[in-house]
Amino acid sequence: EVQLVESGGGLVKPGGSLRLSCAASGFSFSTYSLNWVRQAPGKGLEWVSSISTTGINTYYADSVKGRFSISRDNTKNSLFLQMNSLRAEDTAVYYCTRGVDSWGQGTLVTVSS
Amino acid sequence: EIVMTQSPATLSVSPGEGATLSCRAGQSVSSNLAWYQQKPGQAPRLLIFGASTRATGISARFSGSGSGTEFTLTISSLQSEDFAVYYCQQYDNWLWTFGQGTKVEIK
Repeated sequence: EVQLVESGGGLVKPGGSLRLSCAASGFSFSTYSLNWVRQAPGKGLEWVSSISTTGINTYYADSVKGRFSISRDNTKNSLFLQMNSLRAEDTAVYYCTRGVDSWGQGTLVTVSS
Repeated sequence: EIVMTQSPATLSVSPGEGATLSCRAGQSVSSNLAWYQQKPGQAPRLLIFGASTRATGISARFSGSGSGTEFTLTISSLQSEDFAVYYCQQYDNWLWTFGQGTKVEIK
């Protein structure tokens, strides 16, 4: 069974940093591209970032480009999202996904003073 | 960025009736289109991928159609567990985009 478990969310002040993690199991981790998708409270889904199987190719939404960095560790079956210069509008539940078919339960990031 | 537009924003349906949800892409996404169902407090659940292929374990009440820029999700004979928000998503390239969602509510 595919499992994706996010962690690392919490309350952070504007301008602060946070690192999200996603622990994966139940599939061949290194053969899948991975993604982060977020959902602000009461709002729709927004793609944030994607990473290729090797980690060489990374992609970002304009809203986070230059502030967020996606990475992966194929030896530990883990995906990461380093979030810097956080803003109030980054407040959301962040989901880790494997393609379109598997999503974690999400971790809440709240940016507030 | 490929803009995805869903209609209507809200659909009021009586249990047992059918529902048709629409999704339009700003440019062709071929058949690289997924539909999700989301209930409050839960992660989105994949219903349809490849525009028309049901995901594992999804009821045959759900069917998807379309290609290019026009897509439809049809739910036949709505059950109580089907009242939720539905999103379409294109994955034709690395820069995914989602529609704004259609809320299917009880009439």
